[in-house]
Order: sequence, then structure tokens, then C-alpha cells
Amino acid sequence: IAGITQAPTSQILAAGRRMTLRCTQDMRHNAMYWYRQDLGLGLRLIHYSNTAGTTGKGEVPDGYSVSRANTDDFPLTLASAVPSQTSVYFCASSDTVSRGYTDTQYFGPGTRLTVL
Amino acid sequence: GDSVTQMEGPVTLSEEAFLTINCTYTATGYPSLFWYVQYPGEGLQLLLKATKADDKGSNKGFEATYRKETTSFHLEKGSVQVSDSAVYFCALSESGTYKYIFGTGTRLKVLA
Repeated sequence: IAGITQAPTSQILAAGRRMTLRCTQDMRHNAMYWYRQDLGLGLRLIHYSNTAGTTGKGEVPDGYSVSRANTDDFPLTLASAVPSQTSVYFCASSDTVSRGYTDTQYFGPGTRLTVL
Repeated sequence: GDSVTQMEGPVTLSEEAFLTINCTYTATGYPSLFWYVQYPGEGLQLLLKATKADDKGSNKGFEATYRKETTSFHLEKGSVQVSDSAVYFCALSESGTYKYIFGTGTRLKVLA
């Protein structure tokens, strides 16, 4: 069982360039998420999707966009990268929220992005 | 808004020492509470969770009890091992929502 895969593993990018981070899950989870992890700040939610065809903004959405054309894929695009977007990016998924509690999130291995 | 506060790290312990990592939260409703662990170079993985007050989550010798009266979910382990060295994240999610709030993480280093 692969779980969640992310690509690329790492990338160095010139400022102003466009970049898409890929995320695929094989667990048929309804919900998917993108986080960035920065030292001393923990994980911050960028965008999320409750189900295929819908997306929502998280805590730090500016400069990022997402799409959810199907259940399995949830790409994150940086339209014009800036150095402040240097970070480690994690994709996650969770099953349908059950009545009364929220399901576990499953994380991918991350993409380390450096914007110069 | 909802928030999670956990103790600053790093925490350095000798093997077989007792571990406590404090976590407190603020929430408007009745959240589920989680501890996630991140080993070097990897994504986060669930360590344990509790979905209602007084529940105790446990896994791999770690445990945490959901204390509504003190809004806390402290992580404990009686005897740590070198292999427990990692970053630990406390998190909450309000019931019926898809969103998580994570703490800033606490790095644990266990020395042989």
C-alpha cells in the first residue's frame, strides 16, 4: 500500500518561476490537505479539499492554488515563486468525517522546496 | 480561534528516563485531540488520539489523557529509547470539521 506519494522529493527554483507540487493518494480518502512546515512555526494549512471538485483556503493560502479534479490527486501550484515560499510541503488525506469525531490524517513524505 | 500550545524544545533525555511533553489547547467546541510523531526526513504519522473527555490514547508505550477541565493532552512515556528521538506534534480538530490545528512541535533527543 503506497498511501500518499509526493513529487518531487526536493526542488531548487528560481524566483518568479511557476511550480506544481504533485500529490496522489490511493486510500480513496475524501479529504486532502496541503501544509507547509517551517522551523518554529509547526505546520500551517495552505489549502484543503473536502471532496473531489471542491477546495477551500487554509491559514496561509496567498501565492498558492490547488485543484481537485478527482479523488486521488491534489496538486499545489505556485504561480510565481518567491523566496518566502522556501519550505517543506506536506500533503495529507483523511477519510470522511464521521459523526462526533474527526478522522486521522495520513501524511506524505514531503517536498523540500528552495526558492532563490 | 482554536489553538494548541506545546512545550518548547528541544528535550534531551537519557535512555530509560520518563518523558512528559505538555500540550494545552483552546477550542470553542468539543475537539478530538491527537499526537503525531515525525522522524527525521519523514512525514508526520499518528501516534495516538482521543476523541472525548477522559479518553486515554496509547500506542508504543506512549499515552495521553484528554483532560477537559484543564484543557490538556500531555504526552507521557515511562521509559524512552534512543529510537524515540523525533519531533512530536500535538493537534486538535473540531468535531465534524476537516481542519486540524497543529502545535509548533517539540523535538525529543534521547541519548544512549
